[in-house]
Amino acid sequence: DSGVTQTPKHLITATGQRVTLRCSPRSGDLSVYWYQQSLDQGLQFLIHYYNGEERAKGNILERFSAQQFPDLHSELNLSSLELGDSALYFCASSVGTSNEQFFGPGTRLTVL
Amino acid sequence: LAKTTQPISMDSYEGQEVNITCSHNNIATNDYITWYQQFPSQGPRFIIQGYKTKVTNEVASLFIPADRKSSTLSLPRVSLSDTAVYYCLVGDNNQGGKLIFGQGTELSVKP
Repeated sequence: DSGVTQTPKHLITATGQRVTLRCSPRSGDLSVYWYQQSLDQGLQFLIHYYNGEERAKGNILERFSAQQFPDLHSELNLSSLELGDSALYFCASSVGTSNEQFFGPGTRLTVL
Repeated sequence: LAKTTQPISMDSYEGQEVNITCSHNNIATNDYITWYQQFPSQGPRFIIQGYKTKVTNEVASLFIPADRKSSTLSLPRVSLSDTAVYYCLVGDNNQGGKLIFGQGTELSVKP
């Protein structure tokens, strides 16, 4: 158990819908990262927040957005969902900005 | 970020030592080498990180030659539970924390 929690574990929805994935970092960690893992793209970095502020963006689509709240939990919002958005979405956290990150169990999103 | 190259797959048997080599010819001065392990449908797990020479922890060793253009992850006496994908990443520890994962090495440990 990494100490990072993600909800929900599974999410099934239809194309065009909007969903919110939630992440709670390890106690004391200020950084939250989001990653997407699909069969054809592998593990892709999406976005990084540090203490409430966006620090880095990766291959995140404009239909996707994220935020980190004052209590340091983070949400990833995915809208206008497409079949290709079906993937595992991982959240990770670290104390500062580090290559040593602790990953959560992931949310498996299925878009039908 | 420096690009990494590692074997796509490796096979081993229980009790053997496994060495997975990663090439990173364009590694920068400030870059660290980090290895992650991932089981199917689970999040990656940090294994080890190093800058030069040798680093050892309770699960693995990391060997980095003087030119730092490659590194070798050594797993002593593997068991079936070590069957997983192993990723080598290279980057500055303070660059924003975005980890760029390659395709990794799929290690299969057989009885």
